[in-house]
Amino acid sequence: DIQMTQSPSTLSASVGDRVTITCRASQSISSWLAWYQQKPGKAPKLLIYKASSLQSGVPSRFSGSGSGTDFTLAISSLQPDDFATYYCQQYNNYPTTFGQGTRLEIK
Amino acid sequence: QVQLQESGPGLVKPSQTLSLTCTVSGGSISSGDYYWSWIRQPPGKGLEWIGYIYYSGSTYYNPSLKSRFTISIDTSKNQFSLKLSSVTAADTAVYFCARRPVDTRLEFQNWFDPWGQGTLVTVSS
Repeated sequence: DIQMTQSPSTLSASVGDRVTITCRASQSISSWLAWYQQKPGKAPKLLIYKASSLQSGVPSRFSGSGSGTDFTLAISSLQPDDFATYYCQQYNNYPTTFGQGTRLEIK
Repeated sequence: QVQLQESGPGLVKPSQTLSLTCTVSGGSISSGDYYWSWIRQPPGKGLEWIGYIYYSGSTYYNPSLKSRFTISIDTSKNQFSLKLSSVTAADTAVYFCARRPVDTRLEFQNWFDPWGQGTLVTVSS
């Protein structure tokens, strides 16, 4: 299975900051990567698919980039609602696999 | 819009079979445009894809998991289900159902949206 490694595991930031989360695949996955946001006790919410395509209804402060093995999720200006855990998911290879998550917390 | 809702017992004894159902509302489970999926998340841990089913009954499972899972579909009730046999404490998790678009000829579309709220299943005697 393809291993997805996210960094950092925990990120402390303030409202208004720009933050980036990195996801690295153990082998090339082209652009077949999705990002999700999960809040405590809730289901994950799709933010980005195909590495950089913004899901309908997701604020434009979220953006994704990368291809091959290295990917980034950026949040341009953190809002209070953005403090959550973020997961990447590769879907180039079967079975699809997820990263271990990055917890974004308030500094 | 489409909504998914999991249901089933929250407590299962070791060695027994876990049974969950996902009810789809706001859209037809018989749409040929989607697969219907199960994903689980042990407490405090990450996400693990279990498998999905097409309206025709075709199933796809995570080969990295032992073959204790069975996914079925009831199009007349707009529901699909998950069974996990011989459960152990390691199967304690929140179980989510989710929808996954079918791939097009040009693109993979194996992402999950929307998800149900999830249901916590605890395996304990």
